[in-house]
Amino acid sequence: AQSVTQLGSHVSVSEGALVLLRCNYSSSVPPYLFWYVQYPNQGLQLLLKYTSAATLVKGINGFEAEFKKSETSFHLTKPSAHMSDAAEYFCAVSRSTGFQKLVFGTGTRLLVSP
Amino acid sequence: NAGVTQTPKFRVLKTGQSMTLLCAQDMNHEYMYWYRQDPGMGLRLIHYSVGEGTTAKGEVPDGYNVSRLKKQNFLLGLESAAPSQTSVYFCASSYFRDRVNTEAFFGQGTRLTVV
Repeated sequence: AQSVTQLGSHVSVSEGALVLLRCNYSSSVPPYLFWYVQYPNQGLQLLLKYTSAATLVKGINGFEAEFKKSETSFHLTKPSAHMSDAAEYFCAVSRSTGFQKLVFGTGTRLLVSP
Repeated sequence: NAGVTQTPKFRVLKTGQSMTLLCAQDMNHEYMYWYRQDPGMGLRLIHYSVGEGTTAKGEVPDGYNVSRLKKQNFLLGLESAAPSQTSVYFCASSYFRDRVNTEAFFGQGTRLTVV
């Protein structure tokens, strides 16, 4: 079975600072991994995904994530935070073979201060 | 493109009332899902469907029923609403490519309050 752990329910950064949101996964088969962003009162929007091609994945809005099999991690980073990045971020895992529903982490709320 | 559309966006129910949430997608996706989102708990899967006429239970199915009579629609029903079902409900759909399920596309959510 697949599962995801997101460390830190809230992360606070200053505008211009590095953003690091942590995600560790557990999977019995090679996983597909996703980061979604949710802005207030909106649905979830895909930021990026790992599907076994390149281990460093670039997404929208300057975000990227690196798949590290040895650490079972898929942390999300952005070099310089912007006020508009304030949102809730969800990591999700699926399996890479056959049908498997997405399993989500509990989310990390990113707060950006001026 | 409409993508995934949920109806209604907001609803207040009294305990014991029933209602149906409608999800429609125009992307010809095979798979559809209903999630509920509660503070600090992320998204939890209620029911899902891998194709027209098929449904399956997710992580938290009790108190809900679903139907998928047409490929583009996925209905979530509450037969007798309870305050514990106060939540934000999200519908999602995904497609199948190269024998693998890919990322999900989400609707804007339905905020349901049961009083």
